[in-house]
Amino acid sequence: DTAVSQTPKYLVTQMGNDKSIKCEQNLGHDTMYWYKQDSKKFLKIMFSYNNKELIINETVPNRFSPKSPDKAHLNLHINSLELGDSAVYFCASSQDIGTLNQPQHFGDGTRLSIL
Amino acid sequence: QKEVEQDPGPLSVPEGAIVSLNCTYSNSAFQYFMWYRQYSRKGPELLMYTYSSGNKEDGRFTAQVDKSSKYISLFIRDSQPSDSATYLCAMSEYYGGSQGNLIFGKGTKLSVKP
Repeated sequence: DTAVSQTPKYLVTQMGNDKSIKCEQNLGHDTMYWYKQDSKKFLKIMFSYNNKELIINETVPNRFSPKSPDKAHLNLHINSLELGDSAVYFCASSQDIGTLNQPQHFGDGTRLSIL
Repeated sequence: QKEVEQDPGPLSVPEGAIVSLNCTYSNSAFQYFMWYRQYSRKGPELLMYTYSSGNKEDGRFTAQVDKSSKYISLFIRDSQPSDSATYLCAMSEYYGGSQGNLIFGKGTKLSVKP
């Protein structure tokens, strides 16, 4: 029973294409996140959603748009893919963004490669 | 200077050794400190978390926070080959009843040799 699951695990596509990555959590958490881990292994937050409301949007290009159909899902849509978008994208969830001692649970990542 | 600095290693130790992993940070407002373990091709999993200064022990793992020096450590006793992974420190501010973004270190790659 995977707590946070992402699909696909691997995504290879050409520059300029539009793609989506799906994320689902079965933990009953209220908050979900998207992170980007680049080739230097830095893990940086991109978005978080709390009760279907975007509450954090770091300096991410507007080609990236998170969409949450319900509390258990947070999908990431990427338009006009660029070479620099190649990275591993992790989805995570936590009980509540504002509560201490509520750890974030991560999925296993989607490896995006842009040709 | 990056907000969180962590030596990427790699660090190689023999089985049974005591491992010390460290991070330094520049933001004195950080109050919530975590260590994550990431196996190859997997997502990070939370190992330990501490709030403010002090020590916390969980089995073979001990986390220490020294806010005066802006320095945190993770000690692994009796290291096992199964501990081989990348260890990431992470920290956040806490203000107005809310926890801020998690800021991660680059991670230290640990290899424990049998």
